[in-house]
Amino acid sequence: AQSVTQLGSHVSVSEGALVLLRCNYSSSVPPYLFWYVQYPNQGLQLLLKYTTGATLVKGINGFEAEFKKSETSFHLTKPSAHMSDAAEYFCAVSVTGTASKLTFGTGTRLQVTL
Amino acid sequence: IAGITQAPTSQILAAGRRMTLRCTQDMRHNAMYWYRQDLGLGLRLIHYSNTAGTTGKGEVPDGYSVSRANTDDFPLTLASAVPSQTSVYFCASSKEPGANTEAFFGQGTRLTVV
Repeated sequence: AQSVTQLGSHVSVSEGALVLLRCNYSSSVPPYLFWYVQYPNQGLQLLLKYTTGATLVKGINGFEAEFKKSETSFHLTKPSAHMSDAAEYFCAVSVTGTASKLTFGTGTRLQVTL
Repeated sequence: IAGITQAPTSQILAAGRRMTLRCTQDMRHNAMYWYRQDLGLGLRLIHYSNTAGTTGKGEVPDGYSVSRANTDDFPLTLASAVPSQTSVYFCASSKEPGANTEAFFGQGTRLTVV
């Protein structure tokens, strides 16, 4: 079965600093990988996803992630944090045959300080 | 605005009572899902439905049941609530069941069982 590990349940960065949220996955077959964002008291919305093809994926709000098969990683980055980026971020994985049953990580709460 | 509507937004429920969480989508998506979100555990799949008339069990189905009588509605029922079912419940949908398809989430139902 596939799984996801998010390193760091809480990350704090200064406004304008680099954002790096870590995600490692485990899967015996090629995975599909996702990052979702959850703002306070809201549902999740898709930031970006990797299915096939280009390993560097660009998403909304200036976020991007790179699929590295050799490292089984899919870390999320943003060059310059904004106060509005403060939220909880979830990495998720699915594989063919599981009918879109996403397996989520435990989440990383991003705090952005002045 | 098209999307997923969940009701109620929050509920305090006495243990042993029956409760149905409602979920309606107007995007004509074929696949629908119920997740529960618990601190430190991320989101876990309770039940899913790939198309109207079919349902399946997810990771944590015990104590919950679902039905999918039509495309738009996917209610989740707790037959006899227990305190361990205190959680935030999210309904989601995707256009088709498939490992690489985006899931759209509702705003969530915060349920407290006392």
